[in-house]
Amino acid sequence: NAGVTQTPKFRILKIGQSMTLQCTQDMNHNYMYWYRQDPGMGLKLIYYSVGAGITDKGEVPNGYNVSRSTTEDFPLRLELAAPSQTSVYFCASSQGVGGASQETQYFGPGTRLLVL
Amino acid sequence: SQKIEQNSEALNIQEGKTATLTCNYTNYSPAYLQWYRQDPGRGPVFLLLIRENEKEKRKERLKVTFDTTLKQSLFHITASQPADSATYLCALAGSARQLTFGSGTQLTVLP
Repeated sequence: NAGVTQTPKFRILKIGQSMTLQCTQDMNHNYMYWYRQDPGMGLKLIYYSVGAGITDKGEVPNGYNVSRSTTEDFPLRLELAAPSQTSVYFCASSQGVGGASQETQYFGPGTRLLVL
Repeated sequence: SQKIEQNSEALNIQEGKTATLTCNYTNYSPAYLQWYRQDPGRGPVFLLLIRENEKEKRKERLKVTFDTTLKQSLFHITASQPADSATYLCALAGSARQLTFGSGTQLTVLP
């Protein structure tokens, strides 16, 4: 299993540009998440999904959009990039709700985004 | 508002000693609490989960306690090694199973 993969690893955007951060998991997990992590800070939840076709906002959703057309993929879209979106973005997945093993979140390696 | 505080930004200890990291929370009733390890440039890796009705969990050299009265979790690494050096994050899950993370404690184990 590759686990959770993210592309690209690093990207520089100009203000106002748009881009999609890709996230794929091969563990057949129902739940998927997008977080951002600013330097020296914890992770903040942007959006999450409990299954294909179902998405919901997290703590900091403004400026982002998501879709979940398949179980495996959960792309994050930035429409009009702003300097405040400079951050490291992590995608994660978990099996669902229930025992400890089901609620463990598995993280991807992250995408470092710089908006200038 | 909900708040999670991890005891300090950085903790240095000598190899072989026990490292104790603290996670305090306010205005929160978590269903469970998790601890993650994060190395520089990498995503967090799950270590332990403890539920609101559990007092203590162990895994090899790791031990987590959870006191819902004090609103505090303690994370212990016994017989610490330089390879344990990393940032440790606590995360709380509410009824919707969304995780709220603390800002982390950077642990350095000195040889």
